[in-house]
Amino acid sequence: GENVEQHPSTLSVQEGDSAVIKCTYSDSASNYFPWYKQELGKGPQLIIDIRSNVGEKKDQRIAVTLNKTAKHFSLHITETQPEDSAVYFCAARMGFGNEKLTFGTGTRLTIIP
Amino acid sequence: NAGVTQTPKFQVLKTGQSMTLQCAQDMNHEYMSWYRQDPGMGLRLIHYSVGAGITDQGEVPNGYNVSRSTTEDFPLRLLSAAPSQTSVYFCASSYRQYAQETQYFGPGTRLLVL
Repeated sequence: GENVEQHPSTLSVQEGDSAVIKCTYSDSASNYFPWYKQELGKGPQLIIDIRSNVGEKKDQRIAVTLNKTAKHFSLHITETQPEDSAVYFCAARMGFGNEKLTFGTGTRLTIIP
Repeated sequence: NAGVTQTPKFQVLKTGQSMTLQCAQDMNHEYMSWYRQDPGMGLRLIHYSVGAGITDQGEVPNGYNVSRSTTEDFPLRLLSAAPSQTSVYFCASSYRQYAQETQYFGPGTRLLVL
């Protein structure tokens, strides 16, 4: 089955700086890669996703890049703000109709004011 | 819209007891899933459904049952609770059309099995 590794497990950055979280996946058949943000006591929230036919996707301060050859994808947050502090999860899935989403182990991001 | 709702928020069970975790969504989504989240681990898929009357196993299905009699509801049943089932349980529903999809998670149910 699919295996997703996520690094780092914790990350602290100064407010205004950029943060990068990286994930690798094992199954080359995976083609959907979402990122979730989870705040304390809440369920995960989808913040951005990317499909294997696209190399990069941006949404305001958030971007995701995908390298299919190396089987890794990354989340980039620019101009970080205190409200960006949360746990971030990457995930991978094979096929549009396949529901079996495999998650990384999470990155706790802390923004230092 | 209420989105995805889960009840109860907290539950304490004794080993061997059974219970049902409720999940409902009012967005008319076809896809619904149950995950468990344990410390230091990501979310792991327990069971999922691609529509009313259709369910399938995820990564960690043992000890859990599901049914999907309506589009709105997707209850998760613990048949005989074990301490290893102590976890936070999240229900999710998904909308997919063409190449677009959005997944919504509920607020979670925190379960302690003694």
